[in-house]
Amino acid sequence: DGGITQSPKYLFRKEGQNVTLSCEQNLNHDAMYWYRQDPGQGLRLIYYSQIVNDFQKGDIAEGYSVSREKKESFPLTVTSAQKNPTAFYLCASYGFRSGSNTEAFFGQGTRLTVV
Amino acid sequence: AQSVTQLGSHVSVSEGALVLLRCNYSSSVPPYLFWYVQYPNQGLQLLLKYTTGATLVKGINGFEAEFKKSETSFHLTKPSAHMSDAAEYFCAVRLTGANSKLTFGKGITLSVRP
Repeated sequence: DGGITQSPKYLFRKEGQNVTLSCEQNLNHDAMYWYRQDPGQGLRLIYYSQIVNDFQKGDIAEGYSVSREKKESFPLTVTSAQKNPTAFYLCASYGFRSGSNTEAFFGQGTRLTVV
Repeated sequence: AQSVTQLGSHVSVSEGALVLLRCNYSSSVPPYLFWYVQYPNQGLQLLLKYTTGATLVKGINGFEAEFKKSETSFHLTKPSAHMSDAAEYFCAVRLTGANSKLTFGKGITLSVRP
């Protein structure tokens, strides 16, 4: 079955450590997104990529980094520079080449907790 | 650039009552419009979408939404609320061209009272 997979579902990190969240899709989608979700703040865009080997900063990119070496994969690294990394992280993808399949598909999320 | 406004952060209805969640958008051209639902600690699930054609769109779980270009609105409705409808709802928009960015509203939490 096609879909988008985030791993792990729960992640604990010590202060000062970098951690990488995985996002993989087998939907042949061009665009992939990373969002951060905090209570009462909706979805805030961290980074997005419309094509392999290219990505753009979103609204809250500071303290985060990404790569897009393969169409299927868009990992997010939360660096030690991110001051408040505890949050729920969501990855999404969509394909914009087809007129009918315009919606974004979401992974199940990764809950990151700094301990 | 496009934007989405969802007024209010919380709506409470009684079971069996009408559900109305408002969404207004700003866009230079008619966009694609979406409603998503999120249950606790889960990803977002598509409820319905408007791309082209009929302006009244039916989705899953008995929800529907109407695209009104003159009002730049895409309000979500359900005639009779069920306890299982309690969740967070997001309206989203993106332009129809390639490489367009997906933009979300801040979301509305729906509570359903017995």
